[in-house]
Amino acid sequence: DTAVSQTPKYLVTQMGNDKSIKCEQNLGHDTMYWYKQDSKKFLKIMFSYNNKELIINETVPNRFSPKSPDKAHLNLHINSLELGDSAVYFCASSSSSTGNTIYFGEGSWLTVV
Amino acid sequence: AQRVTQPEKLLSVFKGAPVELKCNYSYSGSPELFWYVQYSRQRLQLLLRHISRESIKGFTADLNKGETSFHLKKPFAQEEDSAMYYCALRKISGGYNKLIFGAGTRLAVHP
Repeated sequence: DTAVSQTPKYLVTQMGNDKSIKCEQNLGHDTMYWYKQDSKKFLKIMFSYNNKELIINETVPNRFSPKSPDKAHLNLHINSLELGDSAVYFCASSSSSTGNTIYFGEGSWLTVV
Repeated sequence: AQRVTQPEKLLSVFKGAPVELKCNYSYSGSPELFWYVQYSRQRLQLLLRHISRESIKGFTADLNKGETSFHLKKPFAQEEDSAMYYCALRKISGGYNKLIFGAGTRLAVHP
C-alpha cells in the first residue's frame, strides 16, 4: 500500500516520560508534516520538513523535537510529557511536483496520565 | 492574518435532507481552499479542492471570493456522510506550503 504510516497508533504513558512517534511515507513526497489535533478536534500544524530540512516550526514547546533521517521519514520525539500533550498527532506528506496536496497518516493517539 | 472559520461545531440532519457546511476565510493573496473529511477514528482524507471544481461523493463546494466563502454542499445527505469536516486554506510561507484548518464541523446524519 502506498501511504503515510505512523506508529504507534495508540500510546498511553505517564507524565514526565519521553516518547517517540514514527512516521514513514512511501509516496515519494519531498515534504512531511506533523499536525496536532487536540481534544476539541482543532488541527494545527507543528512542523514541516522539506528534503530533510526544517522549514516550518510553529510555536511548539522545545520538548517537541522532530527528526528527519531521510525524505521518507519524519519522527517526533517528545520529552518530559505533560498532561496537555494528550492529543492525536497526524503525520502528513506532500510533493511540490504533484500540486502539493497533503496526505495524512492515520494518527497516533497519545494519552498522558 | 490568515484564518479559516467554520461557525458550526455540529450540524445534525436527517437522511435525505440537504446539507451545507459553512466555511469562511481571510487571506490576503489568491486563496486555495480544500475540504477534508475525517470518519470516526480514521485519517483525514481530501474530499475536494476548489481548483478542481469536482464533485466527490455528491459533495460540491464553490469558492465565492466576494463573500470569502467556500461552503460545502450536498443535496441529499446519507448516513455514511456522518463525519468531521474540515475546511482548509493553503498558505504559502517562505516558498513552502502549509494548511490552515478551520475548527471543523461534525456532521451527524440521522436515519
